[in-house]
Amino acid sequence: DAGVTQSPTHLIKTRGQQVTLRCSPKSGHDTVSWYQQALGQGPQFIFQYYEEEERQRGNFPDRFSGHQYPNYSSELNVNALLLGDSALYLCASSLVGDPETQYFGPGTRLLVL
Amino acid sequence: DQQVKQNSPSLSVQEGRISILNCDYTNSMFDYFLWYKKYPAEGPTFLISISSIKDKNEDGRFTVFLNKSAKHLSLHIVPSQPGDSAVYFCAARIRTNAGKSTFGDGTTLTVKP
Repeated sequence: DAGVTQSPTHLIKTRGQQVTLRCSPKSGHDTVSWYQQALGQGPQFIFQYYEEEERQRGNFPDRFSGHQYPNYSSELNVNALLLGDSALYLCASSLVGDPETQYFGPGTRLLVL
Repeated sequence: DQQVKQNSPSLSVQEGRISILNCDYTNSMFDYFLWYKKYPAEGPTFLISISSIKDKNEDGRFTVFLNKSAKHLSLHIVPSQPGDSAVYFCAARIRTNAGKSTFGDGTTLTVKP
């Protein structure tokens, strides 16, 4: 069991660019949540996908969007990057019928210059 | 307004002694609380949780205590081991909002041999 995997591990972009981050959930999991963790802070909830739809959203602007595919993998897209978007982006997967257990991936470190 | 606060950024204890990590929350709607451990270059790993209907939950060396009236929870690690050295995050959510957890900023625990 590969657990939750994310790609790429690191990424450098410049202001105004767009970025796509990818996540493969743990085998058997159908729900994917995305979090942003700024340096020295805890993870902040961005949104959650289930059945290819955004089910919940945190306090993030529309520049942050996502997608979930039929195989449950997910993407996080960020448009018009700002310096403040520099952070570790974490993906977490779970089963809709077992919400207590949420597994996190190692994250993608995004640096915006 | 930070709804989950970990007021101690760091804690250092001697191997074999007790580690006590504290967490306060402000949102009275939260009814499920979790602790995660995070090593460098890895995603957070679920450690232990507690529902608001309980005031204590124990799992091996780890015990979480919940004081609802004070909106306070704590994680006790007894005895502490060098391998416990990590960043510990407290998280809270409304139980039915699976995946949408609110995290504190973490406490870095160092256990000295």
